Parts: sequence; C-alpha cells; structure tokens
Amino acid sequence: DAKTTQPPSMDCAEGRAANLPCNHSTISGNEYVYWYRQIHSQGPQYIIHGLKNNETNEMASLIITEDRKSSTLILPHATLRDTAVYYCIVTGSARQLTFGSGTQLTVLP
Amino acid sequence: GAVVSQHPSRVICKSGTSVKIECRSLDFQATTMFWYRQFPKQSLMLMATSNEGSKATYEQGVEKDKFLINHASLTLSTLTVTSAHPEDSSFYICSARVGQNKGYTFGSGTRLTVV
Repeated sequence: DAKTTQPPSMDCAEGRAANLPCNHSTISGNEYVYWYRQIHSQGPQYIIHGLKNNETNEMASLIITEDRKSSTLILPHATLRDTAVYYCIVTGSARQLTFGSGTQLTVLP
Repeated sequence: GAVVSQHPSRVICKSGTSVKIECRSLDFQATTMFWYRQFPKQSLMLMATSNEGSKATYEQGVEKDKFLINHASLTLSTLTVTSAHPEDSSFYICSARVGQNKGYTFGSGTRLTVV
C-alpha cells in the first residue's frame, strides 16, 4: 500500500472550513484514498473515499489532485465535535486499511 | 448504513484468564473481518485478517495461539485473548469491508485491562 504523509496536528476555528492535507506520492493506479477519523476511545468513523474524481458527501469533500499524488479533506463548517484524529489511507480495493499516525484536528471555540 | 456491533465495550480481567470479544455485522454479510489493536497515543495496528470459514491470517509478530480468531459465520467474528497478561491491555477494534469499493466500517472498540 502507498505510504501517506499528514501533518501531526492542525487547529481550526469553529464554523470555519478545515482543510486537511495528505501526500501520497507513491499511489498506484488502482489504489483508493480513504479518510477516517477517530474520536478519543472510539472506533474509526468513515468519512469519504475516492479514486480519481473529487467526491462530496454530507460530511465532507475530498479533493484529489490530477496527478493523484496528494489530496485534501475539507470539512466545510467545522464544529467542536469534529475534534478528532483524521487518517488518510491509501489502499487497493480488496486490501486492509493500514493506519499511519494521522492528523490531530482541534476545533477551537 | 452498515454497522458492526462490538462487545463488550470494556472488560477487566485477571492475569492468566481468557477474554472473548465479539463483532457482529448487523445489516450486511462480512466475508472478511479485520482485527486491530491500539495502544495509548498510538495508531491502530492490524493484528489479523479473518475470512469466513477459513483460518485467520496473522500479521508478523502477532501470536496466533494467543489471539484466537473465529469467523464461523458471515455475521460474526470473535477474538479470544488467551492467558491474558497486563501487556495485552489495549484497545481492540474490529472492522469489516462493506462491499466492493464501498469502504470499511469499524466496531466501537473494546478496552481490555488485564490486572
């Protein structure tokens, strides 16, 4: 599976957009980009995933660069409940998820 | 959406005893389940992959005789920590693939404390 690089921590003001970057320069053509988050002492929660095109759902938007070497998760209006560790994971469709160290997002009041 | 129910949420056991953790897929069939372990302030580490009706595949360094995995049906996988020791105290989480290219769903985790 391709390795990902994320900043260890980020802050965001409540109500503002949170933009979480992820580098995955070794991604291969059949690998997806998944985003999960983990609130303290809970199981990871699925946010969004994509292959090539940008994706949007009720939680977030995923922007993947044209060369697919990086992506950005956008939480459009961050709330205090969005404070969590966010994991960017790249994997083939039939493989397990391998977690890196993620980004600790802290939403500030 | 697809839900994996994991029980118990927390358990305290004495050193030397065994503990069973259950994960059930509630509204879908989980052909494959994954078991993770997470120590404090660390990320999730994959322990093993279980496929319904066959033996689990363990990651390097994970003792298969200590962490027994059973996946006897398409909706139930269990992890038994045998002869638990304090160093086995951790947060155990199961996960299942929901479907082709549809992502993975996780259980709520089990906090195991061995005293």
